[in-house]
Amino acid sequence: AQKITQTQPGMFVQEKEAVTLDCTYDTSDPSYGLFWYKQPSSGEMIFLIYQGSYDQQNATEGRYSLNFQKARKSANLVISASQLGDSAMYFCAMRDDSGGSNYKLTFGKGTLLTVNP
Amino acid sequence: NAGVMQNPRHLVRRRGQEARLRCSPMKGHSHVYWYRQLPEEGLKFMVYLQKENIIDESGMPKERFSAEFPKEGPSILRIQQVVRGDSAAYFCASSPLGGGTEAFFGQGTRLTVV
Repeated sequence: AQKITQTQPGMFVQEKEAVTLDCTYDTSDPSYGLFWYKQPSSGEMIFLIYQGSYDQQNATEGRYSLNFQKARKSANLVISASQLGDSAMYFCAMRDDSGGSNYKLTFGKGTLLTVNP
Repeated sequence: NAGVMQNPRHLVRRRGQEARLRCSPMKGHSHVYWYRQLPEEGLKFMVYLQKENIIDESGMPKERFSAEFPKEGPSILRIQQVVRGDSAAYFCASSPLGGGTEAFFGQGTRLTVV
């Protein structure tokens, strides 16, 4: 069974600074994918970034990067140059990519990020 | 992502009524997933469907909940005889064959049971 742990219920960061949101996972799947989503107060789920377990390099998408440490089973999200619009709930999620056809995601409980001006 | 369309965005039902939530996947996607988000929680998987088939319903409550994805038309999540505890946001996601490196969600349906 897969498990995602986000240990930070809330985080604060000053505008223009970088922030790291923690995510650790547990799985016995040989191949898996890790995702981060942003959920603003309006409620929609916005896909941010994906990391495959066999990817050699850490994923990056604009100001988002994923610090993937496979041996430690961590997949932390780094947001550089925080903006006020980054204030939202952030969810880490995992998917079994071992070759079956079931692509369901397992989510953590989320971290509420507040960016201060 | 605008590609996965859910409606309605908001739904209010009285206890005992039926709720029908619709999801149209992104073009070319043959897999649909429903998730539920209770207040202050992450999303929890409910059911995975392909056209005319339920593949995995391990997250569905045993009673009152059902889902379908017909050959034509959207996927439907149906909740019969709703209770206050069904109040939640229900999200739909779709994926292509092979999963892909992105997983997009619809904007969700917020169900309120009064």
